[in-house]
Amino acid sequence: AQSVTQLGSHVSVSEGALVLLRCNYSSSVPPYLFWYVQYPNQGLQLLLKYTSAATLVKGINGFEAEFKKSETSFHLTKPSAHMSDAAEYFCAVISSGGYQKVTFGIGTKLQVIP
Amino acid sequence: DAGVIQSPRHEVTEMGQEVTLRCKPISGHNSLFWYRQTMMRGLELLIYFNNNVPIDDSGMPEDRFSAKMPNASFSTLKIQPSEPRDSAVYFCASSPGTGQFNEQFFGPGTRLTVL
Repeated sequence: AQSVTQLGSHVSVSEGALVLLRCNYSSSVPPYLFWYVQYPNQGLQLLLKYTSAATLVKGINGFEAEFKKSETSFHLTKPSAHMSDAAEYFCAVISSGGYQKVTFGIGTKLQVIP
Repeated sequence: DAGVIQSPRHEVTEMGQEVTLRCKPISGHNSLFWYRQTMMRGLELLIYFNNNVPIDDSGMPEDRFSAKMPNASFSTLKIQPSEPRDSAVYFCASSPGTGQFNEQFFGPGTRLTVL
């Protein structure tokens, strides 16, 4: 079975500070990993995805994530937080070999303090 | 492209009433998903269609829930009878093809409140 664990349901950072949102996965086969963002009253939007090519993945809005197999992690980072980054972020996993069933994490709400 | 369209955006109903949620996927996408989002359980997959055929409905909570996809451009999720515990935001998403790399495009959601 596949799963993801997001550490910290709420994260607060100051504007301009580093953003680090943590995600650890569990999968019996090589995973495909995703980060989605949800702005208030909207659906989810893909930020970036790891599909077994480069381990460092760059996404939209200056976000990036690094796949670390030894740590079973796929943490999301951004060097400098902007007020517009305030949203909820979801880590998700698809295990290769199956159809497109995506397992989402519980989500992390990011607050950016001016 | 208008994206995934869901209606209504908000629905308030009384316990025992029938509720129908509607979704129009992005044209050309052949995979469609229904999700439910709550504070307690997060985002849960309810059902997945591929080429209008239900592939995985293991997430459908119980017989009160049913979903149909009569054609490639329309799907419904029906709850009958509705209960207060069904209150949640329901999302529809569509995706091109069946490859694991394919991004799912989410609609804006329907916020359902059952009194």
